[in-house]
Amino acid sequence: GDSVTQMEGPVTLSEEAFLTINCTYTATGYPSLFWYVQYPGEGLQLLLKATKADDKGSNKGFEATYRKETTSFHLEKGSVQVSDSAVYFCALSDTGGFKTIFGAGTRLFVKA
Amino acid sequence: GAVVSQHPSWVICKSGTSVKIECRSLDFQATTMFWYRQFPKQSLMLMATSNEGSKATYEQGVEKDKFLINHASLTLSTLTVTSAHPEDSSFYICSASNSHGSSGRAAGELFFGEGSRLTVL
Repeated sequence: GDSVTQMEGPVTLSEEAFLTINCTYTATGYPSLFWYVQYPGEGLQLLLKATKADDKGSNKGFEATYRKETTSFHLEKGSVQVSDSAVYFCALSDTGGFKTIFGAGTRLFVKA
Repeated sequence: GAVVSQHPSWVICKSGTSVKIECRSLDFQATTMFWYRQFPKQSLMLMATSNEGSKATYEQGVEKDKFLINHASLTLSTLTVTSAHPEDSSFYICSASNSHGSSGRAAGELFFGEGSRLTVL
């Protein structure tokens, strides 16, 4: 079945450091890919998305490119801030959009 | 973006009582709503999927009689935790989806409520 694997956390970085959170997936068909972010004590928010191969999703300085050849959707940010501290979830939605599979989540701590 | 509102955001109840959590999509018609449970520092565990006007589909291991889900309209789904016990204490999150997608939105894109923290004493 479909699955999402993302790097284990926690990830601890200093402010202004470069961030990469790896995400790979297995899926049949043509899934859409998402990154969601969960700030402490809150629900999840969509961070960015990509619906087809080679699409790049971007938002708030974060980017991720849908790589079909490597089945990856790695999240990157050039310079993290303390306010980026949160849990990040990689997810895929099947072709019909009926089911979403989440990765385990990666907790990010950014130190001032 | 779309807005999904969840209420209450936190609730404390006595063991044996029932608690109802509401999930409303405020600006779009949610054909499908999902209910998740999240334990501290863990990922979301999908509990059930509900489609408007039909019975919810529960994930394996989730008790249907314990967690009653109603999706009576395209904008409202409710989760009722019946006869709650301390082990039911958790963070419950709903999400809404228009599975076919729409302008600017991917099929399967989810919009989450703020979450409801349940503490059963």
